[in-house]
Amino acid sequence: QKEVEQNSGPLSVPEGAIASLNCTYSDRVSQSFFWYRQYSGKSPELIMSIYSNGDKEDGRFTAQLNKASQYVSLLIRDSQPSDSATYLCAVNPRTGGFKTIFGAGTRLFVKA
Amino acid sequence: EAGVAQSPRYKIIEKRQSVAFWCNPISGHATLYWYQQILGQGPKLLIQFQNNGVVDDSQLPKDRFSAERLKGVDSTLKIQPAKLEDSAVYLCASSFPGQGYVQYFGPGTRLTVT
Repeated sequence: QKEVEQNSGPLSVPEGAIASLNCTYSDRVSQSFFWYRQYSGKSPELIMSIYSNGDKEDGRFTAQLNKASQYVSLLIRDSQPSDSATYLCAVNPRTGGFKTIFGAGTRLFVKA
Repeated sequence: EAGVAQSPRYKIIEKRQSVAFWCNPISGHATLYWYQQILGQGPKLLIQFQNNGVVDDSQLPKDRFSAERLKGVDSTLKIQPAKLEDSAVYLCASSFPGQGYVQYFGPGTRLTVT
């Protein structure tokens, strides 16, 4: 079982729709969770971080964490063509800065 | 605030040659990471430094890869000798403990081994 699993996609949604990206992780003691966006040919950039169960909202983005189910998701509301990118889920087992594990990413296409 | 700097941006070498990459992290960031990202995959951690000490190098192929971080600032990653399967983007990232270990990535170095 991979440590961090994501559906590779591609996920295609029409402009203005909600895009839902999902991630599961295997290490039950994981503490820190991140979503990074990576445009083609570019390096990853942070979209959201979440550390406790529940929802965290930032503009059009909402991260959802369920530690009991070992599941973290990212919702993008009012999707725009500029949101088309690969979204990487990253999990850090502890807050002490131990090795962060990245998923393989989900490719998102937002159709105009 | 200046971002993470990396050089070179692109490198093409033949197999069995050696290559070195350089990284300058964001000022004040004690933690520095080197990742290897193969096309279609997520970044894989090669080595993580805390100041100039190694925190994790469990996935670094030590027979051919080496890395150092002198004076706890700049870092270099070296491959000697290179293999075809080393073709990838090498990403450097840095983080500050007070920011929940959010990582800031440099532009990366695209290595092609022929």
